[in-house]
Amino acid sequence: AQSVTQLDSHVSVSEGTPVLLRCNYSSSYSPSLFWYVQHPNKGLQLLLKYTSAATLVKGINGFEAEFKKSETSFHLTKPSAHMSDAAEYFCVANSGNTGKLIFGQGTTLQVKP
Amino acid sequence: DAGVTQSPTHLIKTRGQHVTLRCSPISGHKSVSWYQQVLGQGPQFIFQYYEKEERGRGNFPDRFSARQFPNYSSELNVNALLLGDSALYLCASSFSTGSNSPLHFGNGTRLTVT
Repeated sequence: AQSVTQLDSHVSVSEGTPVLLRCNYSSSYSPSLFWYVQHPNKGLQLLLKYTSAATLVKGINGFEAEFKKSETSFHLTKPSAHMSDAAEYFCVANSGNTGKLIFGQGTTLQVKP
Repeated sequence: DAGVTQSPTHLIKTRGQHVTLRCSPISGHKSVSWYQQVLGQGPQFIFQYYEKEERGRGNFPDRFSARQFPNYSSELNVNALLLGDSALYLCASSFSTGSNSPLHFGNGTRLTVT
């Protein structure tokens, strides 16, 4: 069975410092992987996606993620956090044709001034 | 361009009642999926519809049903509401059903069951 594990439920950084949100996946074959962001009382916005092309994926708002098959990881990074980055982040996998997404538990990113 | 739109934005029902949630996909998108997001958790897959046919179903009871119309809009119906059905219900659309076709989410319908 496919699963996604976000290793931190809460991450706190200072504005201007790097962001690292960790995600591991398990799947019997290479899935498509995504990171979504959810601001309070809003729907989910796609940050970036990995679909077996380049292993380093660049997304919106300066975020990027690296797919490491040997580590079954897909960590999300950003060089410099901004106050507007404070939100809930979800690592998501999709390995089938049904469009069923498997969500991680989410990581709350707090950005301190 | 309009994104995925959902109505209503908020809804309060009592136990045992029935509810219908509506979703309009992005123009040109033929696939609609429904997710339930309980407070503090990630969304859970309920249904996917493509070209008016059910293409996938999550682990939800038969009280949950959905359909897709010729214009690709969709309804999610929940019968005999339980307190545990209180959640944010998210609709998402995509161009196709393939795993490379990213989902675009609406802002959701907040359902409260009292």
